[in-house]
Amino acid sequence: DGGITQSPKYLFRKEGQNVTLSCEQNLNHDAMYWYRQDPGQGLRLIYYSQIVNDFQKGDIAEGYSVSREKKESFPLTVTSAQKNPTAFYLCASSLGVGSPLHFGNGTRLTVT
Amino acid sequence: GENVEQHPSTLSVQEGDSAVIKCTYSDSASNYFPWYKQELGKGPQLIIDIRSNVGEKKDQRIAVTLNKTAKHFSLHITETQPEDSAVYFCAATKNRDDKIIFGKGTRLHILP
Repeated sequence: DGGITQSPKYLFRKEGQNVTLSCEQNLNHDAMYWYRQDPGQGLRLIYYSQIVNDFQKGDIAEGYSVSREKKESFPLTVTSAQKNPTAFYLCASSLGVGSPLHFGNGTRLTVT
Repeated sequence: GENVEQHPSTLSVQEGDSAVIKCTYSDSASNYFPWYKQELGKGPQLIIDIRSNVGEKKDQRIAVTLNKTAKHFSLHITETQPEDSAVYFCAATKNRDDKIIFGKGTRLHILP
């Protein structure tokens, strides 16, 4: 079955450590996205990529980094510079502009 | 940039009754309006969408209406069932923009 896989489902880290969240898709989609979800805040865009080896900052990119070396993969690194990293992180993909998003089931990151 | 407002933030309806969730958008150039349903611990899933050349779209118990003049769109769920309990997000974007802007979500409770 085609879809988006995010791993792990739960992730725990100590403050000051970088952590990388995995996102893989086998839908052959060109565009991929990372969203952060906090209670009452909706979905806020962190980074997005329309094509391999290219990506753009979203609305809340500070303290995060991404790479897009393969069409199927769009890992997100939460760096120690991110002031409030504890959140639910969602990866999505789409065929491109104006197309529906397909979401993974998220990674819940807890930093203590 | 685009701003999407969603109301109410929480909605409780008796099983079998109808539920209505409303969204407004700010950018008159927006032309694609998807609705997503998010169940607990999962990623959002597209349930219905509408483009600006259409005023209404229906899929079984779910319908979406769009008023371009007033810049608002609504989700209607009829004959609600327990499995309709979830968080619903509206969103807006335009064809030439790869960023989809989400509302803050509505938590729908279906009461037995």
